[in-house]
Amino acid sequence: KQEVTQIPAALSVPEGENLVLNCSFTDSAIYNLQWFRQDPGKGLTSLLLIQSSQREQTSGRLNASLDKSSGRSTLYIAASQPGDSATYLCAAYSGGYQKVTFGTGTKLQVIP
Amino acid sequence: DTAVSQTPKYLVTQMGNDKSIKCEQNLGHDTMYWYKQDSKKFLKIMFSYNNKELIINETVPNRFSPKSPDKAHLNLHINSLELGDSAVYFCASSQDLWGVGDYGYTFGSGTRLTVV
Repeated sequence: KQEVTQIPAALSVPEGENLVLNCSFTDSAIYNLQWFRQDPGKGLTSLLLIQSSQREQTSGRLNASLDKSSGRSTLYIAASQPGDSATYLCAAYSGGYQKVTFGTGTKLQVIP
Repeated sequence: DTAVSQTPKYLVTQMGNDKSIKCEQNLGHDTMYWYKQDSKKFLKIMFSYNNKELIINETVPNRFSPKSPDKAHLNLHINSLELGDSAVYFCASSQDLWGVGDYGYTFGSGTRLTVV
């Protein structure tokens, strides 16, 4: 059974800092891993999707990496801004009719 | 312009009532899902519906039933609501089952259900 863990559960950083969010999964046989952000009272916005054959994906100030062998993915946010404050979730898909497994998220606060 | 829309956004109801949440996607995706997010922000799959094939998470009570009139809609019906059903329910869609393709999932904005 796939388990996805995100540490830390909460993170507070000053504006402008570069930061890394971590996502660990127990079953390395994943097909893809997706990063989302969730704003309070709102839905999930897809940020980046990494296929199992890829090692990283980039979008603007965001860079997500995937290391299947170690069961880890990281989301790097460069030059953080107050607008980046949200909860960040990763989700791993393990194949077949197994469900996509979500982590519990990291709540990020960027202080002006 | 909204890709995945669900209504209502908020729903407050009494125990024992029957309620429905609607979901529509205009992305032309083949698969739709319902997720439940509990108080600890943990997202769990409830149903997926792909090409008229329903896949059910065995932990979901049979008081919950999805209804899909067409590929663009997947509504969630809940009978005999209980206090423990209070949560945020998210609808999602993907082109390929479980978002295997290039675009992953697209989520709706959620419906906060409160049972009193």
